[in-house]
Amino acid sequence: NAGVTQTPKFQVLKTGQSMTLQCAQDMNHNSMYWYRQDPGMGLRLIYYSASEGTTDKGEVPNGYNVSRLNKREFSLRLESAAPSQTSVYFCASRMAGRGTGELFFGEGSRLTVL
Amino acid sequence: TQLLEQSPQFLSIQEGENLTVYCNSSSVFSSLQWYRQEPGEGPVLLVTVVTGGEVKKLKRLTFQFGDARKDSSLHITAAQPGDTGLYLCAAHVPRAAGNKLTFGGGTRVLVKP
Repeated sequence: NAGVTQTPKFQVLKTGQSMTLQCAQDMNHNSMYWYRQDPGMGLRLIYYSASEGTTDKGEVPNGYNVSRLNKREFSLRLESAAPSQTSVYFCASRMAGRGTGELFFGEGSRLTVL
Repeated sequence: TQLLEQSPQFLSIQEGENLTVYCNSSSVFSSLQWYRQEPGEGPVLLVTVVTGGEVKKLKRLTFQFGDARKDSSLHITAAQPGDTGLYLCAAHVPRAAGNKLTFGGGTRVLVKP
């Protein structure tokens, strides 16, 4: 029962370093999402992929890039990390075409940028 | 300003007490979901409401969607320590591409034994 798997779970970066957060789902979902969670801010959408081969910006895309590698995998890249990107990042997936469909989340990746 | 405003931000109560969490917006939504998140984990869906005025019950949890589909509430009766967590409402914006959900800021609930 893997569901949505994110790696790494923890990462510490220095300002200016780059890194990629990996996400994979085994539920055959078409849509995948990357959110960041900061205290009191709930979850804010960074990027999403409605289906394989497509990606679109969410509410807070600046400083990030994404790749939908295949139907299972959706990665998030920070090219030049900044302290403002210190956050907990969540990957999620859901069936496409269902506005009321459930979002399934990974366990999160805690990133600290010094 | 967030599209969905949740109140209160934090709630601390004793075991056995009741509590209500609110989720409000000036926008109309086609559906609204409530999630609960425990420390170190991702949010997990509790319920989806789609009809104005709808009331759904999940054991001791009662969810209501406002008649105008702009607001919702979550009421917990006789809260237990296991109800401790972050409660998030999320709404599907009509005609939004990619089936995007927008989330409220969350209400952190602490139920003390």
